[in-house]
Amino acid sequence: KAGVTQTPRYLIKTRGQQVTLSCSPISGHRSVSWYQQTPGQGLQFLFEYFSETQRNKGNFPGRFSGRQFSNSRSEMNVSTLELGDSALYLCASSLTTVSYEQYFGPGTRLTVT
Amino acid sequence: GDSVTQMEGPVTLSEEAFLTINCTYTATGYPSLFWYVQYPGEGLQLLLKATKADDKGSNKGFEATYRKETTSFHLEKGSVQVSDSAVYFCALRADNYGGATNKLIFGTGTLLAVQP
Repeated sequence: KAGVTQTPRYLIKTRGQQVTLSCSPISGHRSVSWYQQTPGQGLQFLFEYFSETQRNKGNFPGRFSGRQFSNSRSEMNVSTLELGDSALYLCASSLTTVSYEQYFGPGTRLTVT
Repeated sequence: GDSVTQMEGPVTLSEEAFLTINCTYTATGYPSLFWYVQYPGEGLQLLLKATKADDKGSNKGFEATYRKETTSFHLEKGSVQVSDSAVYFCALRADNYGGATNKLIFGTGTLLAVQP
């Protein structure tokens, strides 16, 4: 069974630009969560989607948004990039909204210059 | 709010040494507790879990017991190997009293370096 796929793996953007990251969950999984990982703040929850609905949102500014499609694939978007947005963005997939097993992708490394 | 505190690293051990990484939590109700491991350049992998008090999670020689009285979930392994070198994260999923979420709250991570 294929794992969680995230594209692209690496990305370099300039301040003020916007970026879209993609996550394809494991086949059959309907819940997708996103996390930001930085050396200073550690792992922080961004948002969670299930059946195309956002179920939970972390404490991030409105520049961070996401969506989920009918095939469970998810995208997150960051507009007006800031240097502090440089991070590893991780996606996790699970079967339902109360799954004990969450499977993480390898992440997208975003560098903002 | 809910939080997880784990011991600062790095932890440096010789091969076959005993490992303990401390983790304590603050949460209302009965959260589920997890240990994840992250190898260099990779995402997180679930190492073990415990969903109720006194549960012991175990996997690949690692163990952790859910202690509600001390709000702790310490990770232990009797004999570490070089291949165990990685960053270990303690995490909780809140008890949502009927709500449903997969949101995880993570500790800061502990780097383990095992020397041959």
